Amino acid sequence: QSVLTQPPSASGTPGQRVTISCSGSRSNIGGNTVNWYQQLPGTAPKFLIYSTHQRPSGVPDRFSGSKSGTSASLAISGLQSEDEAEYFCAAWDDSLNGVVFGGGTKLTVL
Amino acid sequence: QVQLQESGPGLVKPSETLSLTCIVSGGSISNSLYYWGWIRQPPGKGLEYIGRIFYNGRSTYYNPSLKSRVTLSVDTSMNQFSLRLTSVTAADTAVYYCARLWFVNLYTYGFDSWGQGTLVTVSS
Repeated sequence: QSVLTQPPSASGTPGQRVTISCSGSRSNIGGNTVNWYQQLPGTAPKFLIYSTHQRPSGVPDRFSGSKSGTSASLAISGLQSEDEAEYFCAAWDDSLNGVVFGGGTKLTVL
Repeated sequence: QVQLQESGPGLVKPSETLSLTCIVSGGSISNSLYYWGWIRQPPGKGLEYIGRIFYNGRSTYYNPSLKSRVTLSVDTSMNQFSLRLTSVTAADTAVYYCARLWFVNLYTYGFDSWGQGTLVTVSS
């Protein structure tokens, strides 16, 4: 059971905008920033979003992050087939004094 | 560009010790901008943060749920760091990733480079 809650799956068609949610509590998302990672099939996770809405160098601006209260969201606009992957959210947890992850959301591009 | 590569046995017997090493290339492990960490992913499940260490070995963090069994160490001469997990059970079966942790402050950080991962199975 992951500390952060994500829907197990999401889907969209090419060109569409999709969002993936991540729910937490005051001790993690509510008081801290959120990171997102993309894991393509059979590969290691890739750093996608940090500080809730910042993109590391090289990440397309189709990917964006946001937060409201104790929930965060990852939005992907102009969906492409290569976006088919699993997406994980992460945040610092003040109670556990460490980084906690979501269970992951598998995105399918139909 | 920094690269990380995990190495170690793929099969460990229950109650024994899991030992993995992460070799860092393309960059110095002594770079003070980074910590060095381990994350694991049980088959079909999400990610779990195991812990991280600074290059001087004096600053470490361990996941409270694993703290009594985990030790991280670093060897700057070999540009590598290691994970030791004692008294393993089947629940420790997972893909283990080593990763570089870029850390500015608690609001600006992230695992920005990852190893390819290594599957460790705990079984007799």
